[in-house]
Amino acid sequence: AQSVTQLGSHVSVSEGALVLLRCNYSSSVPPYLFWYVQYPNQGLQLLLKYTSAATLVKGINGFEAEFKKSETSFHLTKPSAHMSDAAEYFCAVSVMHGSARQLTFGSGTQLTVLP
Amino acid sequence: DTEVTQTPKHLVMGMTNKKSLKCEQHMGHRAMYWYKQKAKKPPELMFVYSYEKLSINESVPSRFSPECPNSSLLNLHLHALQPEDSALYLCASSQELLGELFFGEGSRLTVL
Repeated sequence: AQSVTQLGSHVSVSEGALVLLRCNYSSSVPPYLFWYVQYPNQGLQLLLKYTSAATLVKGINGFEAEFKKSETSFHLTKPSAHMSDAAEYFCAVSVMHGSARQLTFGSGTQLTVLP
Repeated sequence: DTEVTQTPKHLVMGMTNKKSLKCEQHMGHRAMYWYKQKAKKPPELMFVYSYEKLSINESVPSRFSPECPNSSLLNLHLHALQPEDSALYLCASSQELLGELFFGEGSRLTVL
């Protein structure tokens, strides 16, 4: 079965510092991987996705992630944190179920940005 | 138009009430989903409709009844809910082959 594990349920960084949120996947086939962000009392917004094209994926709001097969990782990074980046971040793996894809989410990482 | 619209945004209901959550998308997506999210937890899949047919039911209690009247609409009918069913209910849609899900803002349900 395909799954993702997010290391660190809470991450705090100072404004302007590097953001690194960790995600490792388990999959017997090439996975489709995603990072979503959720702000308080809102739905989930797609940050970026990996679908077996380029291993370095650039997303919205300055975020990027690198797919590393040898490490089974898909960590999310941003060079310089902004106060507006404070939110819950979910890594997810997509699996086909019949004719539809479904997402399985990691447990989430709460990012706090300190002034 | 890349929106998934959910109504109502907030719903308070008693355990004997019958209510419905509604979801609409106009992106031409043929798969639609209901997720349940408790506080500080990831979303949990409840139902998947593909081409207007129920393709996945993740062992959800029968007090939750999904309906897909057409390819743009998805409903979740609620009856005899329990207080532990209080949660954020998220609707999503996707073009299956791309795998990317588009989520609505959610309907926050409180069961008294």
